[in-house]
Amino acid sequence: EVQLVESGGGLVKPGGSLRLSCAASGFIFSSSTMNWVRQAPGKGLEWVSSITASSFDTYSADSVKGRFVISRDNARNSLYLQMDSLRTEDTAVYYCARLAAVGGLRAGFDIWGQGTMVAVSS
Amino acid sequence: EIVLTQSPGTLSLSPGERVTLSCRASQSVVSRYLAWYQQKPGLAPRLLIYGASNRATGLPDRFSGSGSGTDFTLTISRLEPEDFAVYYCQQYGTSPYTFGQGTTLEIK
Repeated sequence: EVQLVESGGGLVKPGGSLRLSCAASGFIFSSSTMNWVRQAPGKGLEWVSSITASSFDTYSADSVKGRFVISRDNARNSLYLQMDSLRTEDTAVYYCARLAAVGGLRAGFDIWGQGTMVAVSS
Repeated sequence: EIVLTQSPGTLSLSPGERVTLSCRASQSVVSRYLAWYQQKPGLAPRLLIYGASNRATGLPDRFSGSGSGTDFTLTISRLEPEDFAVYYCQQYGTSPYTFGQGTTLEIK
């Protein structure tokens, strides 16, 4: 079965850190560009960060640059998001998602995890 | 950053009706890398359309996407009860891969 399973969310104080993990199965993880997307309570979707298959390139939203680091371990079929200097506005459900490829072209985020909740509060 | 503006914010319609959702980009979307997603409460988003007009695997043909450049639309030809949800567009051609603010489709 094709799936992504996030873990590592929880309650943390402002200024604290968390490391999210995303375990992939059922597809060739090492060939896939992976992403983190978040959704604050009652709000829309916000792309957070992206990493290419080989980890050669990473991209992040301005709102998290310098605080969050995306990484992956292809041997473990796992994606990570190290979140430091957390702020109350980082409170959200965090999803990992695969950027699909069809015929060599990008094809949207086709596989999503169930999400993990991060709450930043004193 | 490419800003995506979806309209309308909310639509109240009845099953069987036809609906067109709009997504306008602040600058041209590279290679028509524009996707549409459906999200229901408590669930992850589901990919509907990629490349502006390509249906995701298993998507009923009542869903269709069109557009290029800065103007894109998602059309549902005949609403089914399970189609009432929030719809987001996203451009994934240029980092940051921005989303629109969403359109809520509610039952009238």
